[in-house]
Amino acid sequence: GNSVTQMEGPVTLSEEAFLTINCTYTATGYPSLFWYVQYPGEGLQLLLKATKADDKGSNKGFEATYRKETTSFHLEKGSVQVSDSAVYFCALSNTGNQFYFGTGTSLTVIP
Amino acid sequence: DGGITQSPKYLFRKEGQNVTLSCEQNLNHDAMYWYRQDPGQGLRLIYYSQIVNDFQKGDIAEGYSVSREKKESFPLTVTSAQKNPTAFYLCASSPRTSGSGELFFGEGSRLTVL
Repeated sequence: GNSVTQMEGPVTLSEEAFLTINCTYTATGYPSLFWYVQYPGEGLQLLLKATKADDKGSNKGFEATYRKETTSFHLEKGSVQVSDSAVYFCALSNTGNQFYFGTGTSLTVIP
Repeated sequence: DGGITQSPKYLFRKEGQNVTLSCEQNLNHDAMYWYRQDPGQGLRLIYYSQIVNDFQKGDIAEGYSVSREKKESFPLTVTSAQKNPTAFYLCASSPRTSGSGELFFGEGSRLTVL
């Protein structure tokens, strides 16, 4: 079947610290992988995506590489800001346009 | 601007009442989805629709109903049969009915049962 497992939070970092949020997946076939971000009281926004193995998605200083050999799609940012405080969701989509989400990781960045 | 509009943003309901959450998109997307989000949990799929006049149950469809009479509209009714309806509800759409299209989300509707 299809599923996503991501690092449990909450995560608290100081401003300018390095961020890693781990995400691994189980899927049949060749899924597309996504990171979404949710700010308080809002819907989810796409942060980045990768559609095939070894692709790197990047946006706003965030990066994630689609690793088929380790079935992973870890989110990284070199220097976090207070404005990055949010909940981050890893997700995959597979045939039939079905989407599967992780449980979310809450990030708080303190000045 | 193109996007997904959910209304109302906040809704209060007495026990035993049905309520309908609106979801409209002007992105010309074929697929639409309803998710439920509870504090500290991920998104759980309620219903989805890949085409007008057709929809399928998701993982937690009991106590909910939907319709898809128009491509741009996918309203969700929370019925009195839903035992614990207090939650944040998210509507989403996708440009493809199969493959790797991403999801676009509305801003959500927060339902509270009094």
